[in-house]
Amino acid sequence: GAGVSQSPSNKVTEKGKDVELRCDPISGHTALYWYRQSLGQGLEFLIYFQGNSAPDKSGLPSDRFSAERTGGSVSTLTIQRTQQEDSAVYLCASSLITGLAETEAFFGQGTRLTVV
Amino acid sequence: DQQVKQNSPSLSVQEGRISILNCDYTNSMFDYFLWYKKYPAEGPTFLISISSIKDKNEDGRFTVFLNKSAKHLSLHIVPSQPGDSAVYFCAASANTGGFKTIFGAGTRLFVKA
Repeated sequence: GAGVSQSPSNKVTEKGKDVELRCDPISGHTALYWYRQSLGQGLEFLIYFQGNSAPDKSGLPSDRFSAERTGGSVSTLTIQRTQQEDSAVYLCASSLITGLAETEAFFGQGTRLTVV
Repeated sequence: DQQVKQNSPSLSVQEGRISILNCDYTNSMFDYFLWYKKYPAEGPTFLISISSIKDKNEDGRFTVFLNKSAKHLSLHIVPSQPGDSAVYFCAASANTGGFKTIFGAGTRLFVKA
């Protein structure tokens, strides 16, 4: 596709429910990132994929959070038993890695998650 | 542990003047630095970058300066325009068996007409 696409753009869910957020990266981009931005905060790193594997999951806030990537393309971020503090904008980005160099990351518009 | 710090949450500048946005980092392994710009309800967009082998990179009205010994970089916008009003994120990455780009908290720039 032309850019990074995220769905849904907005999600309101009840506390305790599970949610799945989807990211379609730019075609051919091997690196994929998930970040979140809580109200008034900066971008918080969650997880990074290189291909289908996740060398760095250090940013996942708890074991309620998981992510997968299949076919080196689409990624889903799953939040189980959502809590109100999970409310944030979840941003996905992808970038191209050529050899040892990485190009800049391109972001999607984000999914605004509201847990009520 | 904040590896990338933007200590000024906001900055207000008059149109036509210079905007200087600052960023400090702690990890000496970072070798690539980027600035992103974010408008409300949009994802961040890449603005300008600099490799650690350089100390300056210029692109039109935007210049990024890197001081490796001080672990400090700055973004200069001159002349500032009202359309530059946005949140600016500093970011840094390192190839340590995989790339992970760490972002600062952002600085909100207001350019007054």
